[in-house]
Amino acid sequence: AQTVTQSQPEMSVQEAETVTLSCTYDTSENNYYLFWYKQPPSRQMILVIRQEAYKQQNATENRFSVNFQKAAKSFSLKISDSQLGDTAMYFCAFMKRVGGSARQLTFGSGTQLTVLP
Amino acid sequence: DSGVTQTPKHLITATGQRVTLRCSPRSGDLSVYWYQQSLDQGLQFLIHYYNGEERAKGNILERFSAQQFPDLHSELNLSSLELGDSALYFCASSVSLTGIETQYFGPGTRLLVL
Repeated sequence: AQTVTQSQPEMSVQEAETVTLSCTYDTSENNYYLFWYKQPPSRQMILVIRQEAYKQQNATENRFSVNFQKAAKSFSLKISDSQLGDTAMYFCAFMKRVGGSARQLTFGSGTQLTVLP
Repeated sequence: DSGVTQTPKHLITATGQRVTLRCSPRSGDLSVYWYQQSLDQGLQFLIHYYNGEERAKGNILERFSAQQFPDLHSELNLSSLELGDSALYFCASSVSLTGIETQYFGPGTRLLVL
């Protein structure tokens, strides 16, 4: 079974600074996908960024980028120029194909990020 | 707005009761996933339907069941409710985009069992 570990329950960063959230996972699969979702106080789950395991190039999405280290099974999220609206719980998630079209997400326990003014 | 809708937003009920949560996926999405978010268990996958057929089951209790209808909306039925079933229930739908199956989440239904 896959497991996803987020070892930082809480983090804070000053507005405009850069912060990195850590995520490690355990799997025997070779083909899988990784995601970061954010959950602001509204509780809506919002996709931040995604990465395909077979791609060596790290994904970027505006101020968000990842550092994907497949051998180390590490998938960290870097937020640049942090904004107050980035305050949220951030979840790392792993997805593998489970036969046919079944693709379930396994989530980490989350990191609560607070951006300080 | 993800395009996934869930009703109701909030639900308060008593132990032993039965409730039904409803989800409408994004237009064109054939897959619906249900997740439960609770304080003690975190975010857990419950069940996946694809085009009306059950495709995968996660940590779903026997008291819970789901189905996906021909119009692709889905319902999650929770019966013999217990206090521990209080949680935020999400549904998500998926679209294949450049080979990555991204799941877009609805706003969730917050269930409180008293």
